[in-house]
Amino acid sequence: DGGITQSPKYLFRKEGQNVTLSCEQNLNHDAMYWYRQDPGQGLRLIYYSQIVNDFQKGDIAEGYSVSREKKESFPLTVTSAQKNPTAFYLCASRNEKLFFGSGTQLSVL
Amino acid sequence: AQKVTQAQTEISVVEKEDVTLDCVYETRDTTYYLFWYKQPPSGELVFLIRRNSFDEQNEISGRYSWNFQKSTSSFNFTITASQVVDSAVYFCALSEERRGSYIPTFGRGTSLIVHP
Repeated sequence: DGGITQSPKYLFRKEGQNVTLSCEQNLNHDAMYWYRQDPGQGLRLIYYSQIVNDFQKGDIAEGYSVSREKKESFPLTVTSAQKNPTAFYLCASRNEKLFFGSGTQLSVL
Repeated sequence: AQKVTQAQTEISVVEKEDVTLDCVYETRDTTYYLFWYKQPPSGELVFLIRRNSFDEQNEISGRYSWNFQKSTSSFNFTITASQVVDSAVYFCALSEERRGSYIPTFGRGTSLIVHP
């Protein structure tokens, strides 16, 4: 079945460490997105990509980086510059609507 | 700038009650899209409905119905005869063009708890 796969489901980061969240889709969508969800905050846009080899900052891009080398893949790196990384991260791709992955819960050790 | 307001943080009802989730949005665009998503405890967001700004016709899908009113910038969602399985966080989202792409902005969500 087509869909979006995020991994891992749970991730722990040590102070000063960069960690990468994986997002893969087999829906053949051009556009992909990363959102961060904090309790009571809704979803906030981190980065988005409309096409391979192109991506744009969203509303809260500081401390994050992305790449889009393949249409199917849009990994998100949470860098050590992100001082408050604990959150639930959701990846999505889009045709007329957004399709979401099951999310990654990132926590700080 | 765009903004989506879901003023109800949490709603608690008893099974079989009707419940309405409010969504008010702000945009200066004439072309935009509105969405509702459901987030069950598993975490994955489930698409419920998409409506474009030129289509104000209300929609009904089983126990779900949506009331879109441009005059009040509202896109409210009603669940009729609620069930325990309806317990989830519901998000309203507004999508308008940004750099050639429609980027959804989400409200803070309304947590619906349906008691048996």
